Amino acid sequence: DTEVTQTPKHLVMGMTNKKSLKCEQHMGHRAMYWYKQKAKKPPELMFVYSYEKLSINESVPSRFSPECPNSSLLNLHLHALQPEDSALYLCASSRNRGPSNEKLFFGSGTQLSVL
Amino acid sequence: AQKITQTQPGMFVQEKEAVTLDCTYDTSDPSYGLFWYKQPSSGEMIFLIYQGSYDQQNATEGRYSLNFQKARKSANLVISASQLGDSAMYFCAMREANTGTASKLTFGTGTRLQVTL
Repeated sequence: DTEVTQTPKHLVMGMTNKKSLKCEQHMGHRAMYWYKQKAKKPPELMFVYSYEKLSINESVPSRFSPECPNSSLLNLHLHALQPEDSALYLCASSRNRGPSNEKLFFGSGTQLSVL
Repeated sequence: AQKITQTQPGMFVQEKEAVTLDCTYDTSDPSYGLFWYKQPSSGEMIFLIYQGSYDQQNATEGRYSLNFQKARKSANLVISASQLGDSAMYFCAMREANTGTASKLTFGTGTRLQVTL
């Protein structure tokens, strides 16, 4: 199983809503990532979890709250988002965060629209 | 300073022809890795090929090969025998080893490839 599964695939939410994005992998990877990708732009790193601990937060606003309940799951909790937060949110995983040859496996993403 | 540069916003190639997608990078770290990913309209980022900074030979993966010129800091992707299914956005990315506790994959701006009949 070499898949990273993200749910939901599409999400529309209002600025006062609370929602969560979910990501799951069963490859035994110990590093998991959230990326944000605006239309026609490259992915931008948001968070990195290593061994279920948050190791990188790229100065992401607190309305985005990541959670890693166990080594297979990664959540992104959303609250009071702005329309400019509309984007494709990609989850990725890798074996660990060290060597330069560690490739990331990506999910298909959640297309988020904030109204 | 931009670390990964892809100067071709869009490229066209005829089916069965070869195409080269350009990528240049900037780093002072002697140990780094270079990746190419493909992103079709479905959104998923698909790993294509990897080149390590200490690798002596150019990487190859099926129809994909990487033209690695270390002194020029370039890592161009060559796709041979293009297929219609190759139409997608292609991203060059770099991971530097000496990033402390961080493990960041930095992406270029991408090249949109369109394969025509």
